Amino acid sequence: GQNIDQPTEMTATEGAIVQINCTYQTSGFNGLFWYQQHAGEAPTFLSYNVLDGLEEKGRFSSFLSRSKGYSYLLLKELQMKDSASYLCAVSPTFSGGYNKLIFGAGTRLAVHP
Amino acid sequence: DSGVTQTPKHLITATGQRVTLRCSPRSGDLSVYWYQQSLDQGLQFLIQYYNGEERAKGNILERFSAQQFPDLHSELNLSSLELGDSALYFCASSGKDRGRNTIYFGEGSWLTVV
Repeated sequence: GQNIDQPTEMTATEGAIVQINCTYQTSGFNGLFWYQQHAGEAPTFLSYNVLDGLEEKGRFSSFLSRSKGYSYLLLKELQMKDSASYLCAVSPTFSGGYNKLIFGAGTRLAVHP
Repeated sequence: DSGVTQTPKHLITATGQRVTLRCSPRSGDLSVYWYQQSLDQGLQFLIQYYNGEERAKGNILERFSAQQFPDLHSELNLSSLELGDSALYFCASSGKDRGRNTIYFGEGSWLTVV
């Protein structure tokens, strides 16, 4: 089966650092994605990991450990506009499902002044 | 702007009715996906098409159907609508992007069933 877990909600202070964790169990693995979604809007792509290690992109970094089925998204120098839901998604590999993404329920992040 | 276009943006209809949601993928993308997002729920994968052929099926109800046309646009048909079908329906498309198949989402179609 497919299972992706992430915390439901988190709060943080403007200017701080926050880490959003994601654990997954999927039938195969072809990459892990992080998306940002503001309420009522489309998810937007943030990062992609397929090999173990850290990928850094400006204020956002994402880490992957395939052996542990674990990833995290690190947001630095938080801004008010970072208040959004952060979705962890895995691309499993199986015969009929070329590149479809399975999404976790998302972590709602609230950034306070 | 992701390049994925969805219409209509908002739709209100009555129970028992049928609606069609339309999606144009990003230029050059062959894969189209449909996702459903109910209030405060995660994204639920419905169905995927690749170059006109159904490639994967998720939790799509029998009352729902989709197709991808030769020009690669896709339609999601929802029939015998129920109150619980009220949701935000996203279309997404993917193609090769720096060696990976990143999925890009349209703005969504808000469906309200009354």
